[in-house]
Amino acid sequence: DAGITQSPRYKITETGRQVTLMCHQTWSHSYMFWYRQDLGHGLRLIYYSAAADITDKGEVPDGYVVSRSKTENFPLTLESATRSQTSVYFCASNKGDGYGYTFGSGTRLTVV
Amino acid sequence: AQTVTQSQPEMSVQEAETVTLSCTYDTSENNYYLFWYKQPPSRQMILVIRQEAYKQQNATENRFSVNFQKAAKSFSLKISDSQLGDTAMYFCAFRSYYGQNFVFGPGTRLSVLP
Repeated sequence: DAGITQSPRYKITETGRQVTLMCHQTWSHSYMFWYRQDLGHGLRLIYYSAAADITDKGEVPDGYVVSRSKTENFPLTLESATRSQTSVYFCASNKGDGYGYTFGSGTRLTVV
Repeated sequence: AQTVTQSQPEMSVQEAETVTLSCTYDTSENNYYLFWYKQPPSRQMILVIRQEAYKQQNATENRFSVNFQKAAKSFSLKISDSQLGDTAMYFCAFRSYYGQNFVFGPGTRLSVLP
């Protein structure tokens, strides 16, 4: 039962570099999501996807790019990392029903 | 847009005691879902309990129960017989009935003291 796998678990990058966070799920869930977690803000939605090749912006999409060419993968790319993007990033998936998300274990990203 | 508020940034409770975490939310919708998630130091997000707004009965999962007051837009979590393993951040979350996106509160950090 692999569930959702995020990689890497930790990442340090420099300002201006491009970095991609990976997310892979094994349940064929329709919906996938990217959230960032910051102290005092809880989790905020960056992007989500209802199916392969269908993506939409969330609350804080600026500076991020997503793609979903296959149902099981939903990578998040920071095109030019900034210090304000230092955060913990969570990927999640859902069947599209009224039940909760299944979360990955998160990626702690530090931009120096 | 919906908002979720957790007014208690930090709380502590003695082992075996009962503690209640508060959550209020703002929505104009009649049907929706509410959730409590637990995030221990491992960082993993764990679903604790789920409530459907159109159900009057409060949800219960073992030592965890909720007090859902729809008119007041309140959704508190009660943890009975607190255990050291309950030490974690707790997030309240709202989900529209027809949408898939969650709106999370800022979280309450709970410490269970021996």
